[in-house]
Amino acid sequence: DGGITQSPKYLFRKEGQNVTLSCEQNLNHDAMYWYRQDPGQGLRLIYYSQIVNDFQKGDIAEGYSVSREKKESFPLTVTSAQKNPTAFYLCASSLNLYSNQPQHFGDGTRLSIL
Amino acid sequence: AQSVTQLGSHVSVSEGALVLLRCNYSSSVPPYLFWYVQYPNQGLQLLLKYTTGATLVKGINGFEAEFKKSETSFHLTKPSAHMSDAAEYFCAVVHGSGNTGKLIFGQGTTLQVKP
Repeated sequence: DGGITQSPKYLFRKEGQNVTLSCEQNLNHDAMYWYRQDPGQGLRLIYYSQIVNDFQKGDIAEGYSVSREKKESFPLTVTSAQKNPTAFYLCASSLNLYSNQPQHFGDGTRLSIL
Repeated sequence: AQSVTQLGSHVSVSEGALVLLRCNYSSSVPPYLFWYVQYPNQGLQLLLKYTTGATLVKGINGFEAEFKKSETSFHLTKPSAHMSDAAEYFCAVVHGSGNTGKLIFGQGTTLQVKP
């Protein structure tokens, strides 16, 4: 079955450490997204990409970085500059960036501080 | 700027009762609207979407929503709640034109179903 795979499911970060969250999709989608979810705040867009080697900042990009070297992969790095990284991170993809295409989501990675 | 407001962060119903989750949006252009459901520690699953055409949209698991332009609403309903409907529900809006594809989410409504 096609879908989005996020790994790991749980991740712990030490002070001053960068960590990378993996997101892989086999849906042949062009567009991919990273969201951060905090209790009571819904989902906020971190970064998105509409094509390989191109990505754009979302609403809360500070302290995060991404790459899109392959169509199926869109890893997210949480850097030490992100002072409050504890959250649930969701990766999504859609056929393209056109507005009427629904986004498909992975099962998320929960990041905590040690 | 677009925004989405979900009225009520928690809704509690009895099993078999009507489910009504409210969503109002603001958009200067015709919107595309979505409802997603999230079970604990999982991602979001699309319930239904409105793009154009019929304003009453049917989705999975017996849910439906009606787009009312005059009220800027897209409320989600289900005639009879089931225990398995307990989850968090998100309404989302995106511009109805252009290549943005950026979803704006409401803050979510947690549905509790009592036996």
